[in-house]
Amino acid sequence: NAGVTQTPKFRVLKTGQSMTLLCAQDMNHEYMYWYRQDPGMGLRLIHYSVGEGTTAKGEVPDGYNVSRLKKQNFLLGLESAAPSQTSVYFCASSLTGLNEKLFFGSGTQLSVL
Amino acid sequence: GENVEQHPSTLSVQEGDSAVIKCTYSDSASNYFPWYKQELGKGPQLIIDIRSNVGEKKDQRIAVTLNKTAKHFSLHITETQPEDSAVYFCAASSPAGTALIFGKGTTLSVSS
Repeated sequence: NAGVTQTPKFRVLKTGQSMTLLCAQDMNHEYMYWYRQDPGMGLRLIHYSVGEGTTAKGEVPDGYNVSRLKKQNFLLGLESAAPSQTSVYFCASSLTGLNEKLFFGSGTQLSVL
Repeated sequence: GENVEQHPSTLSVQEGDSAVIKCTYSDSASNYFPWYKQELGKGPQLIIDIRSNVGEKKDQRIAVTLNKTAKHFSLHITETQPEDSAVYFCAASSPAGTALIFGKGTTLSVSS
């Protein structure tokens, strides 16, 4: 049972480049989330999805887009990367919402130069 | 919106001592309070959680207490071990379950 898998694990971008982070879960969870983690800032929610075909904005959505075309996958896109988006990105999933255990992936370290 | 404050930011203890991490929250409607442990290079993992209809919950060496009146909750780790060294995050969730706000984390170091 793989749980939540994130790819890639590391990435370096130049300012203005675009990229997509992929998250896959094999637990048949309805809810999926993208968080970013910055030193001294804790975890902040970027976007989330309550089911296939749905997306919603979290605390810090600007500069990011997401898609949930399949229940098991949740994609996070950066259309024009900025240095302020240098961070560690975590994907998570849960069965029915945020009032229960979240299962996190191992993270993607993104550097924007 | 909800705001979660976590203290201390760093905590160093000797093996076998107890460790306490405290969090306060601002939204009196919050009703779910989990604690996550994050080891170096890994994603956070839930270690214990408590809901607003319970004042205390224990799981072996770990316990969480909740004071709804004062709007604060605490993590207690007894008989600490080196493998307890990690970053610990508290969080608070709204009743609608659409927002889970994390504290900024506590780096716990347990020396043997």
